[in-house]
Amino acid sequence: GQQLNQSPQSMFIQEGEDVSMNCTSSSIFNTWLWYKQDPGEGPVLLIALYKAGELTSNGRLTAQFGITRKDSFLNISASIPSDVGIYFCAGRTQGGSEKLVFGKGTKLTVNP
Amino acid sequence: DGGITQSPKYLFRKEGQNVTLSCEQNLNHDAMYWYRQDPGQGLRLIYYSQIVNDFQKGDIAEGYSVSREKKESFPLTVTSAQKNPTAFYLCASSTVTGELFFGEGSRLTVL
Repeated sequence: GQQLNQSPQSMFIQEGEDVSMNCTSSSIFNTWLWYKQDPGEGPVLLIALYKAGELTSNGRLTAQFGITRKDSFLNISASIPSDVGIYFCAGRTQGGSEKLVFGKGTKLTVNP
Repeated sequence: DGGITQSPKYLFRKEGQNVTLSCEQNLNHDAMYWYRQDPGQGLRLIYYSQIVNDFQKGDIAEGYSVSREKKESFPLTVTSAQKNPTAFYLCASSTVTGELFFGEGSRLTVL
């Protein structure tokens, strides 16, 4: 089946630093979604991408849909302690949301 | 507020018991989903339903059952046939453009 490789698995950064994480696949996707999950909570949708090359921002977050349609990255600028959590990418090749494939997540720790 | 409500938040089960997790949404979404999350793993699809009175197996449906009698409700039963049921369970619904919105999750522990 399709797989998403999300990296890095974990990151330890200082408050104020910028963060970058990415997801890659051998398959071509037509949708990328990025989620954040706090401990013990459900994932919250951060950014949705629908077109190759699309660059979308949500506050300090920026995500891009790779030109090859096989990858996507998420950047967080000027990190703050509340950015702590697990970030998931999800991609879909075709069909409905039942075809979404999730990465294993990037665990972000921000030291004040 | 519109959203997805899962209950209970925490549930303990003895081996051999069936348990049912509730999921209700007031977002007027047609499609609903159940995912299982284990530590360090991505989300794995258990069952999904695209319309009332219809549902399909996901990647790990064995040992689980669902029903979809109302648009707003999609309960999941973890049966005694599920050999490793301890996990965090997430319910979701999706927009017509395929964006998933999740509930707050239910943590099931088998004693």
